[in-house]
Amino acid sequence: DQQVKQNSPSLSVQEGRISILNCDYTNSMFDYFLWYKKYPAEGPTFLISISSIKDKNEDGRFTVFLNKSAKHLSLHIVPSQPGDSAVYFCAASVNAGKSTFGDGTTLTVKP
Amino acid sequence: EPEVTQTPSHQVTQMGQEVILRCVPISNHLYFYWYRQILGQKVEFLVSFYNNEISEKSEIFDDQFSVERPDGSNFTLKIRSTKLEDSAMYFCASRADGRGTGELFFGEGSRLTVL
Repeated sequence: DQQVKQNSPSLSVQEGRISILNCDYTNSMFDYFLWYKKYPAEGPTFLISISSIKDKNEDGRFTVFLNKSAKHLSLHIVPSQPGDSAVYFCAASVNAGKSTFGDGTTLTVKP
Repeated sequence: EPEVTQTPSHQVTQMGQEVILRCVPISNHLYFYWYRQILGQKVEFLVSFYNNEISEKSEIFDDQFSVERPDGSNFTLKIRSTKLEDSAMYFCASRADGRGTGELFFGEGSRLTVL
């Protein structure tokens, strides 16, 4: 039972445009949602999070949107930069416990 | 900036051998985790550790796996008798406390290759 799903394994966008990464979940008990960024040969790095009581959280170029009724969240990066090229993992937790990760989406930002 | 450190960065072992992966979490953190990522697959939860005991473990974390915090700083993952399918990147992570977002701080990983 895959509780967190990222259905797009890869995404390619042009520098300066918007990147939208999507994530779906099935467990309605999740109350925190997190996005991590991962470069090859490195561990995941926390990027941004959102509580289930909110529908939007913004941090600089990164915005996460949560649609609880659809059990869907998305990460918007605007403007996208070549340095944003990495694997992005959506994760979810209950009571700030363990994080359950999605499969990841590889983002490529072309100059 | 404080960071989670892991050793070794890469270990090659023969099937059936014991392996110990070591982690030094961020010093004031209270919750510790091991995750693994098989090549090309998702990051999978193995075990969480709090207050000197396992707080949660996954199906993957069977009797071949154990964790301990022997000296208050190191946090180790032991695999008693490695199998080919244990080949993966193993990530240690830590978290400050039980509040907030549950943001985890990850180490750079230990790559385990079982031959």
